[in-house]
Parts: sequence; C-alpha cells; structure tokens
Amino acid sequence: EVQLVETGGGLIQPGGSLRLSCAASGFTVSSNYMSWVRQAPGKGLEWVSVIYSGGSTYYADSVKGRFTISRDNSKNTLYLQMNSLRAEDTAVYYCATCLAGGDAFDIWGQGTMVTVSS
Amino acid sequence: EIVLTQSPDFQSVTPKEKVTITCRASQSIGSSLHWYQQKPDQSPKLLIKYASQSFSGVPSRFSGSGSGTDFTLTINSLEAEDAATYYCHQSSSLPDTFGQGTKLEIK
Repeated sequence: EVQLVETGGGLIQPGGSLRLSCAASGFTVSSNYMSWVRQAPGKGLEWVSVIYSGGSTYYADSVKGRFTISRDNSKNTLYLQMNSLRAEDTAVYYCATCLAGGDAFDIWGQGTMVTVSS
Repeated sequence: EIVLTQSPDFQSVTPKEKVTITCRASQSIGSSLHWYQQKPDQSPKLLIKYASQSFSGVPSRFSGSGSGTDFTLTINSLEAEDAATYYCHQSSSLPDTFGQGTKLEIK
C-alpha cells in the first residue's frame, strides 16, 4: 500500500528547532519529487519546500534559510529540519508527492502538528 | 509568485444542485492547475489535475476546465458528502501556490 506517515511534530518554543520525518511505503522516495505543505490553524494550504529526484531543493521565501529538506534513501524517508522557529510556523505539516506522473499531489500524509509557543 | 484567487470563498448549496468554483491566476499558467478537496481534520485529496484530467477514483460529477488564467471546478448534482473546502493549486512555476479555498456547506 502506498502511504506517507509524518512524525516529529510537537510544542516548541520560539527560536527552537524541530525535525519532521515522513516515512514512505509502497514507493521509493528518491525516485519521486517530494514536497512539504503546511496549513496554519483555520487557514489555507501553503507550499513549503520540494526536493526533486535529482536532489535539487527549493523553499518558500517564508522559510528560506531556516528550513532544510532532505531525504534518507536507506530509510525511504523525507525530512524537514526546522530551525529558528517562529509563532507563524505553527501549522499542520503535510508531506506530499506525485506518483501518477506530473506535479499534482496525489499522495498526502496525515500531517503532523507543530506548535511554536512560549 | 503566482497568486491564485478563488471565488466564492463560501457557498451554501442544496443537494443535487450544480456548483461552480472559479480560480483565477495572476499570470498565465497554461494547464498546470490542480484541484483538491479537504474535509475537516483530513488531508487534502486530489480531484482534478492539469485543469481537466479527473484523478483515478474521483466521482464523475467532478469536472474541471480552463487554461491560461481562468479555471473552473464544477460539481454536478451535489451530494451531502461533498461538504468540504476546495483548493486550486498551480505548479507552473516555483513557488507552488494555492488558492485561499472555497468552503461548501450543504443545506
């Protein structure tokens, strides 16, 4: 079964760091382009970052320089390292991918909640 | 950054009604426009990709059209289970962006 499972969310103080994980099953992370999308409480969807199969990475301006996307091919897992966290980073973080070809997100994880608060 | 503007923000509709949601891009994006449905406390689900291609398993009452800057999601003969928020998403150029969402309430 194709599945994405995010873990690593929690309550963190402003300025702190957190690493999110997204474990994939049923397909190979390194063969697909993988993204992080977040959703603040009661708000819409916001694209955060992408890593392509070739390894290129891109970030939203709002997280550039603070967040790092990466993957561990041996664990078939995607990561999002989040540093210098701010209150406005509070959101549910989803990992998503496009298995059917193209770049529409056809597979999403269940999301993990990150709360940045003192 | 390409801005996507959806209309309406909210719509209250009755079952069996036909619903149209529009998404306008701030610049031409060809057909790189996708539609998602999100129900409360669930992850988004892909409905339509590349403006008009129905995703596998999606009911045939959902359809999409448009190209360039103007796009439409149509739900024919609305069902109670279609109560959700609908988002458009462009992948024409980075950063990917989403519309603000359209919430459908079933009367």
